Amino acid sequence: AQKVTQAQTEISVVEKEDVTLDCVYETRDTTYYLFWYKQPPSGELVFLIRRNSFDEQNEISGRYSWNFQKSTSSFNFTITASQVVDSAVYFCANNNDMRFGAGTRLTVKP
Amino acid sequence: NAGVTQTPKFQVLKTGQSMTLQCAQDMNHNSMYWYRQDPGMGLRLIYYSASEGTTDKGEVPNGYNVSRLNKREFSLRLESAAPSQTSVYFCASSNTGRTEAFFGQGTRLTVV
Repeated sequence: AQKVTQAQTEISVVEKEDVTLDCVYETRDTTYYLFWYKQPPSGELVFLIRRNSFDEQNEISGRYSWNFQKSTSSFNFTITASQVVDSAVYFCANNNDMRFGAGTRLTVKP
Repeated sequence: NAGVTQTPKFQVLKTGQSMTLQCAQDMNHNSMYWYRQDPGMGLRLIYYSASEGTTDKGEVPNGYNVSRLNKREFSLRLESAAPSQTSVYFCASSNTGRTEAFFGQGTRLTVV
């Protein structure tokens, strides 16, 4: 199985701190897609970003940024100046078997 | 826009009972998925359907069956429920396996 590993089970930060969520993936494919999803306390799953294996450019969207490095098989997610509303479980996934990591629970304290 | 609709939202079953979880999407997506979510385990794929007329096993298919009734609908059946199947079940759909998935609101199932 081609695993997705999110080693950080839980992270707690104080509002306005920056935080990085790690994601390491395994794949035997040359073409693949990686995703991040957010699951707020209300329980729904919300898509955040998709990245294909041919595009290693970093992506920035407001306070969110993603760092994709094929050399280390990592696709890390950084939240700058975190806010209480960022508190959620974040999942990394790849399209091989549509496999998800175990998730990282982020708590942002006021 | 409805997106992905799952029914029911909550269900309590007795061990050995059967039930079907329903899922429908209105986005004309080709691929549909069933996941279960357990604490600390993330989302685990039970079955998926890459296109109408096809279904494949995921990571944890034992104890479940699926039917891709048409392009819109993908149902998950528990023939003889067990307490180990207590979980939150999510249905999802995507245009292809390379695009993001859209999820339903989830079904919280308790087997006693």
